Amino acid sequence: KQEVTQIPAALSVPEGENLVLNCSFTDSAIYNLQWFRQDPGKGLTSLLLIQSSQREQTSGRLNASLDKSSGRSTLYIAASQPGDSATYLCAVPTSGTYKYIFGTGTRLKVLA
Amino acid sequence: EAQVTQNPRYLITVTGKKLTVTCSQNMNHEYMSWYRQDPGLGLRQIYYSMNVEVTDKGDVPEGYKVSRKEKRNFPLILESPSPNQTSLYFCASSPGDRPEETQYFGPGTRLLVL
Repeated sequence: KQEVTQIPAALSVPEGENLVLNCSFTDSAIYNLQWFRQDPGKGLTSLLLIQSSQREQTSGRLNASLDKSSGRSTLYIAASQPGDSATYLCAVPTSGTYKYIFGTGTRLKVLA
Repeated sequence: EAQVTQNPRYLITVTGKKLTVTCSQNMNHEYMSWYRQDPGLGLRQIYYSMNVEVTDKGDVPEGYKVSRKEKRNFPLILESPSPNQTSLYFCASSPGDRPEETQYFGPGTRLLVL
């Protein structure tokens, strides 16, 4: 059964720091991996989607990488800003099904 | 504006009183899904639908029902709510009928069952 883990659960950094969020999954047979952002009391906003054939995707200050063989993805945030404060979640649709499995998220706080 | 809408946004009810949470999307998406989010447990999928009249169970379907009679709507039904169904519920949709594309989420429905 697919399990998705995100470490650390919480992270606090000063503004301007570059940081890396981690996502691990146990079954490498995935269609893709998606990173989301969730602000308190709000829904999820898609940040990046990496297809299984890709190694990385970039959007502005965000870069997500995918290593299927090791079951890992990282979300790199460059030059962090207080507005980046949110919970970041990764999710994978499990191959052979249409089910999505989410990690429990990393709660990020960027201090001004 | 392209969006996923949910109603109601907040709901307080009592054990056993049937309720329906509506979900609608205006993007002509094939795939729709319901999740619940609980502290320490993250988002867990309740049910999903690949197209009209095609639905299947997610990881936590017990106590819930869904229907997909129209492409745009995917209501979540709690026939006899219990306190352990107190949670934050999200509806989501995706363009294709396969999980290869981005999911778009609604704003959430916060449910309290007394």
